[in-house]
Amino acid sequence: QKEVEQDPGPLSVPEGAIVSLNCTYSNSAFQYFMWYRQYSRKGPELLMYTYSSGNKEDGRFTAQVDKSSKYISLFIRDSQPSDSATYLCAMSGSLTGGGNKLTFGTGTQLKVEL
Amino acid sequence: GAGVSQSPRYKVAKRGQDVALRCDPISGHVSLFWYQQALGQGPEFLTYFQNEAQLDKSGLPSDRFFAERPEGSVSTLKIQRTQQEDSAVYLCASSLGGGANTQYFGPGTRLTVL
Repeated sequence: QKEVEQDPGPLSVPEGAIVSLNCTYSNSAFQYFMWYRQYSRKGPELLMYTYSSGNKEDGRFTAQVDKSSKYISLFIRDSQPSDSATYLCAMSGSLTGGGNKLTFGTGTQLKVEL
Repeated sequence: GAGVSQSPRYKVAKRGQDVALRCDPISGHVSLFWYQQALGQGPEFLTYFQNEAQLDKSGLPSDRFFAERPEGSVSTLKIQRTQQEDSAVYLCASSLGGGANTQYFGPGTRLTVL
């Protein structure tokens, strides 16, 4: 079993829909949680970064972390065709040394249709 | 721009050939990471440098993989005697270090081993 589980999709939604993306994890040492967006043939781009449990909002994006359930979510409001990409959750256990190496989910492929 | 750059962007190698992949991190970034991303998967950690010191190489899949960062800036990932299973995108990421956890990714090098 992988440390981080993520439904690979694909997920197809109409423009303007609210999108919910999720990951579960098994390693209790993870403290830092990130969402990356990856367009085809590009490197991952950081969208959201949260520490421990709670919510964080940035424009149309909201990240939620529930450490008690080992479950993280990313919500995208008013989705746009330009949001079509693969969304990767990532997490790490420490800021120091090699501890901040990232453990990624498989990625969820999202398509927002006109 | 001032982002992470990688070269070559695409590399085709015959099985058994040696390859060298280059990463130019963001200027001043202390930490440098290499990840391997297989098709349809999330990136997987290979190795980590803090300045010129390789502090973690636990993710390197075999002794055919070797990475260096001799002057604490540019890094090279070398794969000897390439095998078909080495075909993947190799991503480089850098971060400021010293407690800063945000990793910035390059566009990757897509390696195809025939």
